[in-house]
Amino acid sequence: EAQVTQNPRYLITVTGKKLTVTCSQNMNHEYMSWYRQDPGLGLRQIYYSMNVEVTDKGDVPEGYKVSRKEKRNFPLILESPSPNQTSLYFCASSLSSAGAEAFFGQGTRLTVV
Amino acid sequence: QKEVEQNSGPLSVPEGAIASLNCTYSDRGSQSFFWYRQYSGKSPELIMFIYSNGDKEDGRFTAQLNKASQYVSLLIRDSQPSDSATYLCAGDYGGFKTIFGAGTRLFVKA
Repeated sequence: EAQVTQNPRYLITVTGKKLTVTCSQNMNHEYMSWYRQDPGLGLRQIYYSMNVEVTDKGDVPEGYKVSRKEKRNFPLILESPSPNQTSLYFCASSLSSAGAEAFFGQGTRLTVV
Repeated sequence: QKEVEQNSGPLSVPEGAIASLNCTYSDRGSQSFFWYRQYSGKSPELIMFIYSNGDKEDGRFTAQLNKASQYVSLLIRDSQPSDSATYLCAGDYGGFKTIFGAGTRLFVKA
């Protein structure tokens, strides 16, 4: 089954404690992206990757890091989480570079206290 | 600043009616537009995309694009209670960046 898998689904952490949200896709897609979704603000792009070792900033990259060492994986790293990073996070992948996010992961609800 | 604007709603329509969802965008450089449906607590699901002026139909859904007026719309015919969700409009800006609107909540009353 074609899918994008994120882990964990829910996470409560404390300010400053490094964390990683994993994302994996099984469709051999080149394009992957991370978004955060906040009430009233919709989905905002954090980082995207066009292929292995090729990443770039989206609209809200501050406080986040990513890496793309393998085509299937695109982890999101918060080196020092802060409460304003409390949000719902989605990973997405697409076959083409046209920007159409064909597949989204299930989402990760992160709370930073 | 590239923006995609949507009325947050909620938009309420009776079952069987046509639901009309609208979206405007600020940057004429955007080439492609997408509509996603997101049920409460779930991830967005792509339902339509359009990049040419005019209408594109897929089952009960019709996407409309007017580049001169910079608006995109989604029509849902014969609306069903199962169509109740938040609909996200998104624009593709230069191949890799996608800008989303905040979404319109649709309620279809049985």
